[in-house]
Amino acid sequence: NAGVMQNPRHLVRRRGQEARLRCSPMKGHSHVYWYRQLPEEGLKFMVYLQKENIIDESGMPKERFSAEFPKEGPSILRIQQVVRGDSAAYFCASSPRQGIGDTDTQYFGPGTRLTVL
Amino acid sequence: LAKTTQPISMDSYEGQEVNITCSHNNIATNDYITWYQQFPSQGPRFIIQGYKTKVTNEVASLFIPADRKSSTLSLPRVSLSDTAVYYCLVAGYALNFGKGTSLLVTP
Repeated sequence: NAGVMQNPRHLVRRRGQEARLRCSPMKGHSHVYWYRQLPEEGLKFMVYLQKENIIDESGMPKERFSAEFPKEGPSILRIQQVVRGDSAAYFCASSPRQGIGDTDTQYFGPGTRLTVL
Repeated sequence: LAKTTQPISMDSYEGQEVNITCSHNNIATNDYITWYQQFPSQGPRFIIQGYKTKVTNEVASLFIPADRKSSTLSLPRVSLSDTAVYYCLVAGYALNFGKGTSLLVTP
């Protein structure tokens, strides 16, 4: 059973360009989470999605960032008009379910390291 | 979200047992306690999860007292490859990793 897949592993963009990060969850997992890790910091929650639904985007910046998890295909984190402060490692995690009032184990991908020049 | 407090760093020699304690005084009734390990340039790796008492797997043990206000991750006989950052999390799905505990294992 392959783990969580993320691509690309490294992405370089110039200021003002768009960045698209892809995440394929583990087989059988229908819940996807995106996190951002700045240098020397811990991961910070950004957004939680199920197929075709955004469940919680409370950690997403209000502008330029969006996420989707279509019925078919990977989840996409999209950053428009990137700025240098967007440079970070972006991690995706997946879980098979999310019960009410409990925590289901999240399995993380290897991350995408975004560098904005 | 329940706030967690854990030591910034710990040092150990190979072969020793390492115990990392995490405080979570305002843990909610429904919260589970989860520990992750992260190596540089990699995503966090799940180690162990528990709700109360003791949980053991092939990698570690997790001790949780009755009041659940703290928990201790126990790594038996650490090796050099256990050098990593260890995170204690108490939450629902929106995991917010603090700075974790940076464990350095030396020969």
